[in-house]
Amino acid sequence: GQQLNQSPQSMFIQEGEDVSMNCTSSSIFNTWLWYKQDPGEGPVLLIALYKAGELTSNGRLTAQFGITRKDSFLNISASIPSDVGIYFCAGLIGTSYDKVIFGPGTSLSVIP
Amino acid sequence: EPEVTQTPSHQVTQMGQEVILRCVPISNHLYFYWYRQILGQKVEFLVSFYNNEISEKSEIFDDQFSVERPDGSNFTLKIRSTKLEDSAMYFCASGLQMNTEAFFGQGTRLTVV
Repeated sequence: GQQLNQSPQSMFIQEGEDVSMNCTSSSIFNTWLWYKQDPGEGPVLLIALYKAGELTSNGRLTAQFGITRKDSFLNISASIPSDVGIYFCAGLIGTSYDKVIFGPGTSLSVIP
Repeated sequence: EPEVTQTPSHQVTQMGQEVILRCVPISNHLYFYWYRQILGQKVEFLVSFYNNEISEKSEIFDDQFSVERPDGSNFTLKIRSTKLEDSAMYFCASGLQMNTEAFFGQGTRLTVV
């Protein structure tokens, strides 16, 4: 079945630093999603990408849909303490949220 | 801002007991989902529900599980005869259309002892 891999598994960075994390798959996805999960909360959608090569920003966050449709990255610029959490990439085979496949997550810790 | 709400936030049950996890989706949404997250692991899709029937389900969603929309507002997940390995966070989500964002609730932590 479809599987997503995320790297790194965890990151410890200083406040103000930029962050980059990746998501890869052996399968092609038509939609890539990036979610953030705070402790004890459900995932919250940060960015959705619908076209290969698409580069989308949401405030300090930027994500790109890889040309091969098998990867995506998420960058966070000038990190702040509230960026702490687990970042999940997720993929849709089509455009339907009928079945979202999640990656294992990247845990981000920001040191003030 | 409208949100998906789930109750209870934490449920402890004995192995073999039945549990019902409740969700109130966002009011005008038509698509409903349940996901599961075992502690420290990724979020896994269980089932999607539209027009009063299951539209997709994963291998995890076996005969032990069932979903229901008993009235116009609630969406429930029933787990019959719970097992220890059913311990997880269960997230409900809802979406306006099949191809629009699904919003997640805050989850119910199920602990089977």
